[in-house]
Amino acid sequence: GQNIDQPTEMTATEGAIVQINCTYQTSGFNGLFWYQQHAGEAPTFLSYNVLDGLEEKGRFSSFLSRSKGYSYLLLKELQMKDSASYLCAVRAFLSNDYKLSFGAGTTVTVRA
Amino acid sequence: DVKVTQSSRYLVKRTGEKVFLECVQDMDHENMFWYRQDPGLGLRLIYFSYDVKMKEKGDIPEGYSVSREKKERFSLILESASTNQTSMYLCASRPRTSGEQYFGPGTRLTVT
Repeated sequence: GQNIDQPTEMTATEGAIVQINCTYQTSGFNGLFWYQQHAGEAPTFLSYNVLDGLEEKGRFSSFLSRSKGYSYLLLKELQMKDSASYLCAVRAFLSNDYKLSFGAGTTVTVRA
Repeated sequence: DVKVTQSSRYLVKRTGEKVFLECVQDMDHENMFWYRQDPGLGLRLIYFSYDVKMKEKGDIPEGYSVSREKKERFSLILESASTNQTSMYLCASRPRTSGEQYFGPGTRLTVT
């Protein structure tokens, strides 16, 4: 199986930057996803990394180092609406199919 | 837009009742998934299906069964609900060759 670790909670100020780290151990690694989930809502896709390096998408960026089993999600210019849970998910190719395993999520609280 | 719908947002059932949770997707996705989400544990895979009438156990299948009679519909069944099955249940779907999963809005089930 996969071991996926991410911090439970983070708090930051509006306009600031927050970095959410995710470490994982898996066999058959085939990509890492970040999802955003607002309270009471479904997770929505934010980013996908399969090769090492940084993927930038507006205020959000995601980084992957496969050799270190490490990823981070960077949220810049924080807004109040960014208060949500952020889920790190690792895809592995096992038994002839892709399997997605999720971390427990990091709750980010943005304060004025 | 991909749409995944679930039959109920909130459900209250009594211990021992048989419970059906329905999920429908409108994008002709081959793969469908049922997760439960609990605080501190993240999303855990209960069952998944990669084709009509096909099903595979996920990480926590005990106490659950599934049915996929049509490609667009994936049902989760609790044969005899127990209080430890009180949780948020999330359905997801994806195309066979893609990693990104699309989630439904979730069903918050309370078993009393």
